[in-house]
Amino acid sequence: KNEVEQSPQNLTAQEGEFITINCSYSVGISALHWLQQHPGGGIVSLFMLSSGKKKHGRLIATINIQEKHSSLHITASHPRDSAVYICAVRWDGSNYQLIWGAGTKLIIKP
Amino acid sequence: NAGVTQTPKFRVLKTGQSMTLLCAQDMNHEYMYWYRQDPGMGLRLIHYSVGEGTTAKGEVPDGYNVSRLKKQNFLLGLESAAPSQTSVYFCASSPQGHSGANVLTFGAGSRLTVL
Repeated sequence: KNEVEQSPQNLTAQEGEFITINCSYSVGISALHWLQQHPGGGIVSLFMLSSGKKKHGRLIATINIQEKHSSLHITASHPRDSAVYICAVRWDGSNYQLIWGAGTKLIIKP
Repeated sequence: NAGVTQTPKFRVLKTGQSMTLLCAQDMNHEYMYWYRQDPGMGLRLIHYSVGEGTTAKGEVPDGYNVSRLKKQNFLLGLESAAPSQTSVYFCASSPQGHSGANVLTFGAGSRLTVL
């Protein structure tokens, strides 16, 4: 069993829909990252959070430390949001290493 | 700013050949990392460096060597390439560890195929 699991693995939605991607983890963590990987391969950091909620534009990330769960939401989704969204956690036992989820592939159709 | 630049972007090797991937960052970041990404799997850390002249093993270091002779450059070497090393390699840097508010800046990736 992977220590970081994302769901769903693949998600296809229509433009304008509200999108939720989930990340569950089984280790104690001090921080959780959400990243976006574009179809061309580039990886961009979206959020780093250790509690509560963060918002940037149409993206919202939440984390529940007690439940070991985080969600990434996209409001008013757009085809340009199509990408792979990756969750990674910084576990308590390491200063440098992240444990990575396998990613969720999101396709937004016009 | 260029950010993190990886060269080459694509390379095809024959089994047993050697090569070096170069990662250069212009953000004066202390920490640098090499990851590999394989289909259906998360990123896996190969080696990392916490400063000029230092390197350390990550999750999957076998078959790779690294050097950080200059703060801005982190080199990843394959001594004798194997088909299992076919992958996309990503370099990343951060101002300090993954901790706190610091986030990673990634290069565009280097696609390596070993025949």
